[in-house]
Amino acid sequence: NAGVMQNPRHLVRRRGQEARLRCSPMKGHSHVYWYRQLPEEGLKFMVYLQKENIIDESGMPKERFSAEFPKEGPSILRIQQVVRGDSAAYFCASSPIRGRQTDTQYFGPGTRLTVL
Amino acid sequence: GENVEQHPSTLSVQEGDSAVIKCTYSDSASNYFPWYKQELGKGPQLIIDIRSNVGEKKDQRIAVTLNKTAKHFSLHITETQPEDSAVYFCAASIGDSGGSNYKLTFGKGTLLTVNP
Repeated sequence: NAGVMQNPRHLVRRRGQEARLRCSPMKGHSHVYWYRQLPEEGLKFMVYLQKENIIDESGMPKERFSAEFPKEGPSILRIQQVVRGDSAAYFCASSPIRGRQTDTQYFGPGTRLTVL
Repeated sequence: GENVEQHPSTLSVQEGDSAVIKCTYSDSASNYFPWYKQELGKGPQLIIDIRSNVGEKKDQRIAVTLNKTAKHFSLHITETQPEDSAVYFCAASIGDSGGSNYKLTFGKGTLLTVNP
């Protein structure tokens, strides 16, 4: 059973460009979470999604950031007009269907975004 | 919101010794406490978790203890091996209205080095 997959693993963008980060959850998982990790910091919760629904986006900046998890395809974290402060590692996690060990989150390898 | 403090930030031990990492949390409503191990360039991997209805949980060389009164929990690794070297993160979560602990608040991590 393949784990959580994220791509790209490394992404370099210039200030003002857009960054798109993709996450494919584990097979059978319908809950996706995005976290951001700054250097020498713990992970910070950004957003929690289920298929076609945003459940909680309280940790996501109000501007320039958006997330989706369409019916088909991976979850996408989109950052518009990137700034240097967006440079970080972005991790996606997934968990099984609600009611069956929903709390156990399995993390992907992350996307390391560098903004020049 | 919840705040998690983790100590020490770095820990160096000799192979075969024990290692202890401690975390404190601020919100007494937190009821789920997972521990993650993150190796260089990889995503966090769940190694053990505990819920507030138990005081201790053990899995081979790894154990976690929870003191709800003092609001702190600890990770204990016995008979350490070089492959235990990694960054360890504690986390805490308050269950939502449906009982799901999806929103994890992480500590800043402990870099554990096990010297052969």
